[in-house]
Amino acid sequence: GAGVSQTPSNKVTEKGKYVELRCDPISGHTALYWYRQSLGQGPEFLIYFQGTGAADDSGLPNDRFFAVRPEGSVSTLKIQRTERGDSAVYLCASSPSPTQFYEQYFGPGTRLTVT
Amino acid sequence: GENVEQHPSTLSVQEGDSAVIKCTYSDSASNYFPWYKQELGKRPQLIIDIRSNVGEKKDQRIAVTLNKTAKHFSLHITETQPEDSAVYFCAVRPSGGYNKLIFGAGTRLAVHP
Repeated sequence: GAGVSQTPSNKVTEKGKYVELRCDPISGHTALYWYRQSLGQGPEFLIYFQGTGAADDSGLPNDRFFAVRPEGSVSTLKIQRTERGDSAVYLCASSPSPTQFYEQYFGPGTRLTVT
Repeated sequence: GENVEQHPSTLSVQEGDSAVIKCTYSDSASNYFPWYKQELGKRPQLIIDIRSNVGEKKDQRIAVTLNKTAKHFSLHITETQPEDSAVYFCAVRPSGGYNKLIFGAGTRLAVHP
């Protein structure tokens, strides 16, 4: 079946601009996660959705970052007033129901470059 | 919060040799420990995982061992092949009812034919 998909695959934006990154989880997966991966580092947790609600947003670095999942499926990560330090690969992952939350399936990522 | 350290950062072996990567963690209540493989430009993919009530798990050439007392777990790859070359990440699910994973910094494994 189809895996987790993310669009766009690459995004180049100027400092100060607003960007939206989209994640389409595996069909039927209720848990959705966003991570950020800087060059040479492991993924860093940003936010976790269970259904439509953000159950844990403790990893969002500041209030320029926001994410939504209005219908419990597709999620959008929004970054306002982008800074060069936001440049990274943004990974989305999804997981089955809460009783099977352990395995997280990752998408291919969106490479964000802020110039 | 949870802190995960991974060693070594790079590992070079000859084809057929074994490779061992170790991770330590700080939260003794952490209960799930997956390992992910990431090839260049690709997504991380789960290769093996272990839960806190098990000490060892094996899947063909790959095994993971967990020492809860010492708070460390290790990935063992036997009979390495060139296609095992990739970056390997350990991760920990900390306690507290949250489903996030805390990742190590990664180990770049190179298997030379």
